Amino acid sequence: RKEVEQDPGPFNVPEGATVAFNCTYSNSASQSFFWYRQDCRKEPKLLMSVYSSGNEDGRFTAQLNRASQYISLLIRDSKLSDSATYLCVVSVNTGGFKTIFGAGTRLFVKA
Amino acid sequence: EPEVTQTPSHQVTQMGQEVILRCVPISNHLYFYWYRQILGQKVEFLVSFYNNEISEKSEIFDDQFSVERPDGSNFTLKIRSTKLEDSAMYFCASGSGGTGELFFGEGSRLTVL
Repeated sequence: RKEVEQDPGPFNVPEGATVAFNCTYSNSASQSFFWYRQDCRKEPKLLMSVYSSGNEDGRFTAQLNRASQYISLLIRDSKLSDSATYLCVVSVNTGGFKTIFGAGTRLFVKA
Repeated sequence: EPEVTQTPSHQVTQMGQEVILRCVPISNHLYFYWYRQILGQKVEFLVSFYNNEISEKSEIFDDQFSVERPDGSNFTLKIRSTKLEDSAMYFCASGSGGTGELFFGEGSRLTVL
């Protein structure tokens, strides 16, 4: 089983649509959870951290279910500028620490 | 705003040659990482570094790879004898906590011919 698994995508949506990204992780000892965004040929950048209580930042909502080892990201009212690859990211410390990226889900938002 | 800087931005090398990629992490960060991204593929963890030693490494990080923090500011990745399959974008990242947010440099593109 992959350490971090995401919907393969790509997602093609019109402007204004709501888009949901799903992610599962395999290591139950994982401690921190994030969504990063990566534009074409650029470095990943933090979009938002994910907490068990769920958190929202404007049009973006992230949820974490530790029991199911599942993370989600919802984008409402999508914009052309939301077009990018969305990366599910999990950090774990089991003596040594590492942060693992999912393969990413590509989003295309069209006018 | 503080940032992670990487040099060179692009390096072309012959197979079998040694390559050193350099990174200057954000100054008050204590946790450092190298990642690799082959064109069109996922961001792959190579190694994490804390307190002047490797904390964790992946299967990719074999004996051909090494990391060093030679002078308290630079963090380097050395590939001893490059192979064609080492061609990729190499990202350096740093963080203030071991399992917290990572800040990435813009990457060093390595092309092995």
